[in-house]
Amino acid sequence: GAGVSQSPSNKVTEKGKDVELRCDPISGHTALYWYRQSLGQGLEFLIYFQGNSAPDKSGLPSDRFSAERTGGSVSTLTIQRTQQEDSAVYLCASSLEATSYNEQFFGPGTRLTVL
Amino acid sequence: EDQVTQSPEALRLQEGESSSLNCSYTVSGLRGLFWYRQDPGKGPEFLFTLYSAGEEKEKERLKATLTKKESFLHITAPKPEDSATYLCAVQARRNTGFQKLVFGTGTRLLVSP
Repeated sequence: GAGVSQSPSNKVTEKGKDVELRCDPISGHTALYWYRQSLGQGLEFLIYFQGNSAPDKSGLPSDRFSAERTGGSVSTLTIQRTQQEDSAVYLCASSLEATSYNEQFFGPGTRLTVL
Repeated sequence: EDQVTQSPEALRLQEGESSSLNCSYTVSGLRGLFWYRQDPGKGPEFLFTLYSAGEEKEKERLKATLTKKESFLHITAPKPEDSATYLCAVQARRNTGFQKLVFGTGTRLLVSP
């Protein structure tokens, strides 16, 4: 596609439920990134993929968060047993590759609200 | 630890009133400094990358400059459509591998007609 797409655009869930957020990167981009943006906070890096591999998962806030990427394209961020503090906008970005001077292009985000 | 501080948090300008936004950073070896624009309800939109002190880049009414400690985003004769949050991020230089972007909290710019 022309840009990074994310779905759903909005998600409201109840505390304790699991949610899946989807990201479809720009075609040809091998690197994919997930960020979280909370009100009044800067973008917080969560995880990145180079191809289907996620070499560094240390940015994930807890073991309730996981992410996968298949076929070097679409990625899913899963949050299990959601908590109210997980409410935020989850942004996905992609770039040509992760370790060079390549700009990251962002999707519109998924606004997650945990009641 | 890499850090980015942006000021002011919010800025209100009249159309045509030029100003500058500041991004102060601490990083052990700068690989790149990035400016993004973010409109409400949208993801950040890439504006500029600066790599070394003294570098400048321009796009329409925006000009970004870089020193060893800070970057400025100068807005000349702004228009209402320049209203947005402007984000600054740094990427550190390490020997190998991926380095994440560290973002500031942004400056919210409102330009009134």
